[in-house]
Amino acid sequence: QKEVEQNSGPLSVPEGAIASLNCTYSDRGSQSFFWYRQYSGKSPELIMFIYSNGDKEDGRFTAQLNKASQYVSLLIRDSQPSDSATYLCAVANQAGTALIFGKGTTLSVSS
Amino acid sequence: EAGVTQFPSHSVIEKGQTVTLRCDPISGHDNLYWYRRVMGKEIKFLLHFVKESKQDESGMPNNRFLAERTGGTYSTLKVQPAELEDSGVYFCASSQVTGPYEQYFGPGTRLTVT
Repeated sequence: QKEVEQNSGPLSVPEGAIASLNCTYSDRGSQSFFWYRQYSGKSPELIMFIYSNGDKEDGRFTAQLNKASQYVSLLIRDSQPSDSATYLCAVANQAGTALIFGKGTTLSVSS
Repeated sequence: EAGVTQFPSHSVIEKGQTVTLRCDPISGHDNLYWYRRVMGKEIKFLLHFVKESKQDESGMPNNRFLAERTGGTYSTLKVQPAELEDSGVYFCASSQVTGPYEQYFGPGTRLTVT
């Protein structure tokens, strides 16, 4: 079983819609969760982190964490073509240092 | 503030040759990490420095890989001798605080071994 799993996509949404990106993880002891955005050929860019169950909002982005279901998601409201990128879900290891990544979900927002 | 920088951006070498990758973290960041993404796979952790000390090198694939961080500033990752399966993108990241906090990634070095 992969440690962090994401649907590779592509996920296609029209401009202005809500994009929902999902991630599951295998280590029930995981405590810290991150969403990175990566444009083609560029470095991963941290956009959200979440440590507690529930929702965390930052602008158009909302991260949701459900530790009982071992599930973390990212919602992007009012999606823009500039949001088109690969979104990487990452979970910190038990030591809290190394990040364990999923393969990423490619999002395409059409205008 | 300058971000994490990596050099070179691309490297093409033949199997059996040696390559050295360099990473300059964000100034003041004591924590430095190396990651690798091979084609079709997820980004995988290689190792973690706190200042000049290796804290965790559990992700290093084998003894052909040697990472150093002399003086606790920039780091180098040497692959010797390179094999075909070493091809991929090598990312460096840094963070100010040790722990599950934000890691800032560099642009990566694309290594191709032919």
